[in-house]
Amino acid sequence: ETGVTQTPRHLVMGMTNKKSLKCEQHLGHNAMYWYKQSAKKPLELMFVYNFKEQTENNSVPSRFSPECPNSSHLFLHLHTLQPEDSALYLCASSQPGANYGYTFGSGTRLTVV
Amino acid sequence: AQTVTQSQPEMSVQEAETVTLSCTYDTSESDYYLFWYKQPPSRQMILVIRQEAYKQQNATENRFSVNFQKAAKSFSLKISDSQLGDAAMYFCAYRGPNTDKLIFGTGTRLQVFP
Repeated sequence: ETGVTQTPRHLVMGMTNKKSLKCEQHLGHNAMYWYKQSAKKPLELMFVYNFKEQTENNSVPSRFSPECPNSSHLFLHLHTLQPEDSALYLCASSQPGANYGYTFGSGTRLTVV
Repeated sequence: AQTVTQSQPEMSVQEAETVTLSCTYDTSESDYYLFWYKQPPSRQMILVIRQEAYKQQNATENRFSVNFQKAAKSFSLKISDSQLGDAAMYFCAYRGPNTDKLIFGTGTRLQVFP
C-alpha cells in the first residue's frame, strides 16, 4: 500500500476518446500534483492543487482538464489527445510547507493511438 | 529559473561495490531542499534521501549518502555495497523556498550486475 493510488495502471485511447485518470491518497495531505513523465525528459509539472484549489497550471493544453473534488482525490480528464501525449502520468501528494518531498503513486501509462 | 542537470543517462555497478550518481543544479536562492528519488520498474517514485541547504552536514540513510557542495551547486548520491534491488532510475530534484514544487532532472538509469 503506497498511500497514493492511481487508476488505471494502463490506458490506451484513441484521439477522439474521452477518459479520466484517477488519483487517491489516504495520507492526510492537502497538496496534490500531476506530473508527466516522458522518456529522456525531466518530469514536467502539469497542475498543483492546494486545499482543493488549483494553484498552478504549467501552460498545459486544454485537452487536459484537472479536477480536485476534495483533498484526497484528484482527476485528470482527457479529451482529443494527440499521440505525443503518450507518457507516464504521475500523481503525487504532500503536506504544504513540509520539507520531506512528495509521496508518489505508481502512475498511469497512457498510450494515444 | 531553477534547473537540475543529471549528466549520466546510464551507470552500472558490480554488486557490493560503490557507485556515485551526479547532479548539479542552478539557483540563486540560499535556502532550498534537494532530494534523490528512486523509480524501480514498478514505476513508483520512492524518496531515497533529502538534504536541507542550510545544513552543512551531508545526509546519510543507511547505504545511501550524499556529497552536497553548496558553492559548486552539486548534489551527488553515493550508494555503498550496491545490491541488485538498487537497480532503478534515480532522479535528483530541487525545491526552492516558499514553494512546494519539485524540479526534477532527467534521471540516471543504474544497472547492478551480480
